[in-house]
Amino acid sequence: LAKTTQPISMDSYEGQEVNITCSHNNIATNDYITWYQQFPSQGPRFIIQGYKTKVTNEVASLFIPADRKSSTLSLPRVSLSDTAVYYCLVGTGTASKLTFGTGTRLQVTL
Amino acid sequence: NAGVMQNPRHLVRRRGQEARLRCSPMKGHSHVYWYRQLPEEGLKFMVYLQKENIIDESGMPKERFSAEFPKEGPSILRIQQVVRGDSAAYFCASSPRTGWTANSGNTIYFGEGSWLTVV
Repeated sequence: LAKTTQPISMDSYEGQEVNITCSHNNIATNDYITWYQQFPSQGPRFIIQGYKTKVTNEVASLFIPADRKSSTLSLPRVSLSDTAVYYCLVGTGTASKLTFGTGTRLQVTL
Repeated sequence: NAGVMQNPRHLVRRRGQEARLRCSPMKGHSHVYWYRQLPEEGLKFMVYLQKENIIDESGMPKERFSAEFPKEGPSILRIQQVVRGDSAAYFCASSPRTGWTANSGNTIYFGEGSWLTVV
């Protein structure tokens, strides 16, 4: 299983860019990297997924270096509503082996 | 396009009773996963099912817990003789297929969860 390591918590002010880095040193060739966001009392919400280089969608960007041993989720100009727990997951070929870590608790303040 | 639907959202059971949690996957999805989340903890995988088949139940307790995904109708997670330690949020997720390949990712979508409280 590809284990992931990410900071337990981060703080940011509204309007700033937030970068959350995830380490996955033993990522396998076929593994994809996926990030989820979870608000209290809600289910995880898919944010972005990538395999290599850079992926961008309407809410975030995902940067993956050539060795793929880490990835960085970038949230541009966060707002208070971005306060949530962010999970980095690495797929290992079958979806059943998706393992959630403790995630990164992002707190955004004014 | 409706998302993953779970019900009930909240369920209270007395110790020893049975709890049944239902999950209807997204339209077109034939793979269902159940996860459990204890307070202040991450999600723990329980079971992975396809229609009429349990593919992986390695995360599910051997006793009192069972899951099914019949040919017709929702997937059901059943907990018999509930105990206080079963109090948690149970999340269902679905995907259109299994496995992620180098050419195509596979996104898993989660429902809003069912909160079980055992009193």
